[in-house]
Amino acid sequence: SQQGEEDPQALSIQEGENATMNCSYKTSINNLQWYRQNSGRGLVHLILIRSNEREKHSGRLRVTLDTSKKSSSLLITASRAADTASYFCATESGGAQKLVFGQGTRLTINP
Amino acid sequence: NAGVTQTPKFQVLKTGQSMTLQCAQDMNHNSMYWYRQDPGMGLRLIYYSASEGTTDKGEVPNGYNVSRLNKREFSLRLESAAPSQTSVYFCASEPGQLNEKLFFGSGTQLSVL
Repeated sequence: SQQGEEDPQALSIQEGENATMNCSYKTSINNLQWYRQNSGRGLVHLILIRSNEREKHSGRLRVTLDTSKKSSSLLITASRAADTASYFCATESGGAQKLVFGQGTRLTINP
Repeated sequence: NAGVTQTPKFQVLKTGQSMTLQCAQDMNHNSMYWYRQDPGMGLRLIYYSASEGTTDKGEVPNGYNVSRLNKREFSLRLESAAPSQTSVYFCASEPGQLNEKLFFGSGTQLSVL
């Protein structure tokens, strides 16, 4: 069963612009994580935000969490060609499914 | 420090054949996971092992078996492959059992004809 739903499914922007991806989920969570996947590679953990946190930063990444709306957003500022990848949100709810991943957003940065 | 290593990287099977996907991590992690990734479906958990000697079913365990051979190695076996098992398979590990930061291998692309 899908917990996280990413929006948009695909995003194409110019280098230097900011990229925003959204994730919505259905049930209460303990934490929400964002992962990046470059083409043909495994996922790489980017950032984790706990249910009692509202915003977190890591370098050019900013993640927000709104538990009342059951949604999160990932903002990548000053995008670079190397940011081209798929981005997945994953929710942890303490259940048997462990981390549940969304379908991902394909981000393309055009030079 | 190789991280999580999966073998093979590519495999083509005929329906009914069996095979084992290998995974090893050199980070002394306790938990290990097997996921499959299908287009438009995200990643789905097949099996996981919270510690050496234990394994548990995930969301889509049917048609698969696993073995946690030791702390380093976690293998996934397809006893009788079916076309529906065509997918990309990822192994992952994490230090504890909190599902807070998974480290992924580079995947095995499996085609079942």
